[in-house]
Formats: sequence, C-alpha cells, structure tokens
Amino acid sequence: DGGITQSPKYLFRKEGQNVTLSCEQNLNHDAMYWYRQDPGQGLRLIYYSQIVNDFQKGDIAEGYSVSREKKESFPLTVTSAQKNPTAFYLCASSQKGQGASNEQFFGPGTRLTVL
Amino acid sequence: QKEVEQNSGPLSVPEGAIASLNCTYSDRVSQSFFWYRQYSGKSPELIMSIYSNGDKEDGRFTAQLNKASQYVSLLIRDSQPSDSATYLCPGNVFSGGYNKLIFGAGTRLAVHP
Repeated sequence: DGGITQSPKYLFRKEGQNVTLSCEQNLNHDAMYWYRQDPGQGLRLIYYSQIVNDFQKGDIAEGYSVSREKKESFPLTVTSAQKNPTAFYLCASSQKGQGASNEQFFGPGTRLTVL
Repeated sequence: QKEVEQNSGPLSVPEGAIASLNCTYSDRVSQSFFWYRQYSGKSPELIMSIYSNGDKEDGRFTAQLNKASQYVSLLIRDSQPSDSATYLCPGNVFSGGYNKLIFGAGTRLAVHP
C-alpha cells in the first residue's frame, strides 16, 4: 500500500519540551511539506523540502525545525520556542516541487496539545 | 487582497441539489489549481486538479477555471449528505525558485436530507 504515514496520531506536550512528529512516505515523491492547521483556519506552511538534505522555511517556521536525511522521511520538531504549538499538523508530499503540477497528498495528521 | 479567498459558509443545500463552491485568487497564484475535501478531524483529500481554462468533469464533480477572471469553481451534482465537509481550493505560487500551495480557510458545505 502506497501512502503517507504520520505518528503519533495524538501528542501531548508539557511546556518547555521539544517533541518530534514523524512523517514517512513510500510514494517515491521528491518533495515533502509540513503544514499547521488551527480551528477554522486554512493550512499554513511551516517547512518544505524538494530533495534530500535540503529544506526551506515556509511562512511560519519560527519555533520549528526539520531534517531530510532520507527521501522517505521528513520529521518535524516542535521546540520550546514555539509559544502556541497546539494545532493539527499535516505532512504532505508531491511527485515534484517544480513545474506546473504540484498535486500534494496528505498524511492523516498529528494533533498536538500543550498541557 | 488575500491570495486565495473563499466564502467560509456554511453553504447549506438539500440532498440531490447542485452545490456550487467558488474561489478567487490574487495575481501571484497561477498555473495550477486544486480542490480538496476535508472531513471534520481528518486530513485533506485531493478530489480535483485543473490546469487550463474551461471545465473538467469527474463523476459528480465539475471544476471550472477562468484564469483571466482569477476564479475557480466546483460544482457537485446530486449532492449527498456524505459530501458534507470543508472544501479547500489552494492555488500554486512560484516563489524563491519553488512551487508552493497557498490555502484559504475553506468553505463548509452542509448537505441536509
């Protein structure tokens, strides 16, 4: 089965903790993305990566970090510097980041709550 | 002007009717346009991509793109209660050498029996 997996489904964080959200895809897609969604709002881009060992900041990168050591994996770390991290986090991938087609496919999401 | 604008709704239609959803875009958005469906608490699911002016049909769904007027619409024929969801219409922006999708807040559709 090809697809995108995210884990965990639910995550609780205490103030001051760093937490890492996992995203794995077996679609052989080059590009991967992390979005954040708050209630009643659209998706906002945190980070994206077009190729292994390269990534770019999105619109709201402050307080987050990523790595792209393997094509299949793009983990997101929510650091203690992110002051309001409670949100629904979505990982997506696309076959290529450049060109006319940028169809993105989403994982099931991780819901992060700060206690 | 926001890059992607949608009426947040809710848009309420009776079962069996045609639901019409619309999006308008700024000048920055070009080339590719998409419709995603997002059920409450779930992740977005791609239902339609459209790249050229005109209509594109897929089952009960028809996407209409007018690049000159900067809008895209989605028609859902024979609406079913299972179509009740939030519909997102991101557009593609080329920025800093890369393509990015820009999302609006989405339109909530409610189909009532």
